[in-house]
Amino acid sequence: KQEVTQIPAALSVPEGENLVLNCSFTDSAIYNLQWFRQDPGKGLTSLLLIQSSQREQTSGRLNASLDKSSGRSTLYIAASQPGDSATYLCAVGSGYSTLTFGKGTMLLVSP
Amino acid sequence: DTEVTQTPKHLVMGMTNKKSLKCEQHMGHRAMYWYKQKAKKPPELMFVYSYEKLSINESVPSRFSPECPNSSLLNLHLHALQPEDSALYLCASSRPGQGYGYTFGSGTRLTVV
Repeated sequence: KQEVTQIPAALSVPEGENLVLNCSFTDSAIYNLQWFRQDPGKGLTSLLLIQSSQREQTSGRLNASLDKSSGRSTLYIAASQPGDSATYLCAVGSGYSTLTFGKGTMLLVSP
Repeated sequence: DTEVTQTPKHLVMGMTNKKSLKCEQHMGHRAMYWYKQKAKKPPELMFVYSYEKLSINESVPSRFSPECPNSSLLNLHLHALQPEDSALYLCASSRPGQGYGYTFGSGTRLTVV
């Protein structure tokens, strides 16, 4: 059974810092990995989708990497802003229409 | 249109009420999902519809009854719920199969009193 772990569980940084969120998964037989952002009480917003054949994806200040063989992904956020404060969820697609979520990293960026 | 629309955004219901949650997408996605999310927990899969047929039911109690009337709509009918069913209910859609990204709606915040 696929298990997804996210470290750290919570992170507090001052504005402007570059930061890295980590995601690891136990079964490397995945189809894709998706990073989501969730604001309190809201739905999930897709940030980046990495296919199993890809090594990284970039969108603006966000860069996500994938090392399938080692079962790891990182989400890099450059020049963090208070508006980046949210919970970041990593989800692995490893079956037919099946997505396994990590427990998330709660990020707080202070002005 | 790249959105999944959920209504209502908030719902308060008594334990004897019957209510329905609605989800709609016009992206041509033929897989649709219901997830339940409790506070500070990741979403938990409840149901998967693929080509309008129920393909996965994660042993959800019968007081939750899903329905997929067409390729754009997904409903979740609620009856005789318990206070512990209070949660954020999320709908998502994707292309069926492996390797496709999911699009989530903004959720329905359900409170059972």
